[in-house]
Amino acid sequence: GAGVSQSPRYKVAKRGQDVALRCDPISGHVSLFWYQQALGQGPEFLTYFQNEAQLDKSGLPSDRFFAERPEGSVSTLKIQRTQQEDSAVYLCASSLRGGGTSSYNEQFFGPGTRLTVL
Amino acid sequence: AQSVTQPDIHITVSEGASLELRCNYSYGATPYLFWYVQSPGQGLQLLLKYFSGDTLVQGIKGFEAEFKRSQSSFNLRKPSVHWSDAAEYFCAVGSSGGYQKVTFGTGTKLQVIP
Repeated sequence: GAGVSQSPRYKVAKRGQDVALRCDPISGHVSLFWYQQALGQGPEFLTYFQNEAQLDKSGLPSDRFFAERPEGSVSTLKIQRTQQEDSAVYLCASSLRGGGTSSYNEQFFGPGTRLTVL
Repeated sequence: AQSVTQPDIHITVSEGASLELRCNYSYGATPYLFWYVQSPGQGLQLLLKYFSGDTLVQGIKGFEAEFKRSQSSFNLRKPSVHWSDAAEYFCAVGSSGGYQKVTFGTGTKLQVIP
């Protein structure tokens, strides 16, 4: 079956441009996560959705970052007025169940979008 | 707050030699612990996980890890490394409640030499 897919795989933006990164989670997965992975670092949590509800956006680094999942499936991470420090790989992950479960809920990761801001 | 420390940024081993990658975590309760592998241009692949039971867990590709609560450690081991194991390895800790937020370490890059 299809895993998590992300598009585009690579994006080059000039400083100040807006970008939109897309994530297609595994069909039927309730939870969706976005992570930012800077060069030489581990992924860092950005935001979490349960269906269409954004329940945690504590990791978004600034108000230039905005994420949505309007129909509870596909999600878009938008970065406005990109800066060089936004250059990173943006990873999306999905998991079958929502929060509040006591059983393990594995996250499945997409291949990421590598964003380079010039 | 949960956190993970991977003290080794880069490790080089000879093919066929044994491997141990270190990981220390901080979490208030019994954590979920993971090891992921990331090859260049690839997504994260789960090698193994621990959340209860036997403290020695087996994963894919011949990897294993041992949970030691007294040392807050979850080191990854492999008896004999193959050239294809060259990649970056991330230890991670997940909260056992809520939506199971995962926090990653900074990673250890493994180089395998002939």
